[in-house]
Amino acid sequence: EDQVTQSPEALRLQEGESSSLNCSYTVSGLRGLFWYRQDPGKGPEFLFTLYSAGEEKEKERLKATLTKKESFLHITAPKPEDSATYLCAVSDNYGQNFVFGPGTRLSVLP
Amino acid sequence: DTAVSQTPKYLVTQMGNDKSIKCEQNLGHDTMYWYKQDSKKFLKIMFSYNNKELIINETVPNRFSPKSPDKAHLNLHINSLELGDSAVYFCASSQGANNYEQYFGPGTRLTVT
Repeated sequence: EDQVTQSPEALRLQEGESSSLNCSYTVSGLRGLFWYRQDPGKGPEFLFTLYSAGEEKEKERLKATLTKKESFLHITAPKPEDSATYLCAVSDNYGQNFVFGPGTRLSVLP
Repeated sequence: DTAVSQTPKYLVTQMGNDKSIKCEQNLGHDTMYWYKQDSKKFLKIMFSYNNKELIINETVPNRFSPKSPDKAHLNLHINSLELGDSAVYFCASSQGANNYEQYFGPGTRLTVT
C-alpha cells in the first residue's frame, strides 16, 4: 500500500530563517511526487511535480528535491506570507492511486 | 475569475438526509475529481472522472455518487448521510486523466448532526 509521511508536523520559523520540510514515501513504482500548499479555509494549490531521483524544481523561495525514498521542500529566507500547510502526495505507475501525506503546518513569524 | 467553484460553501444537515454538492470549472479541463478532507486534515481522493471513465476509490461507500451533466460540472450526491460523512469536500480538475497537477475548489464543509 502506498504511504506518505511528512515531518515535522508543525514548524515555526522567524522571517528569514531558512529550513526544510521532509516527505517520505513508499510506493509501488513512483510515477510522480507532488507538492501543494494549502491556506486555511482554502483548497490546495499546486506547487511542483518531481518525477525522478535527483530532480529539483524551484519557485521563488521554494525548492523541491527528490530522492528514491523522500523529498525535501527547502524554504529560503521565508516571509510571513509563506505560512501555510504544505502537502506532499505521490502517484504510482498505474496512475490511479494518488495519496496525500498529512502535511506540515508552517508558520513564519515577522 | 474563479477557476473551480463549489456550492454550497457550508452545508449542515441531519443524519439520513440526501444532499448534493455542486462543482463547476471554467478551465476547459477534461477530468474532474472529488476529495474528502477529514477532521485530521487527511486529504483522500474519492473519484476521478472524465468523459470516458469513472474511477472510484474502493474505500468510498456506494452512498456517494458523482454525476456529470457536462465536461465542466461534476456534482457529488450523498444518500443517507451519516455522522462520519462530516468533512470538507474538495472538487478539483486537471487536463488529462490521472494528471495530478490539479486545480482545487474552495471546499464545502459538510456537517452532519
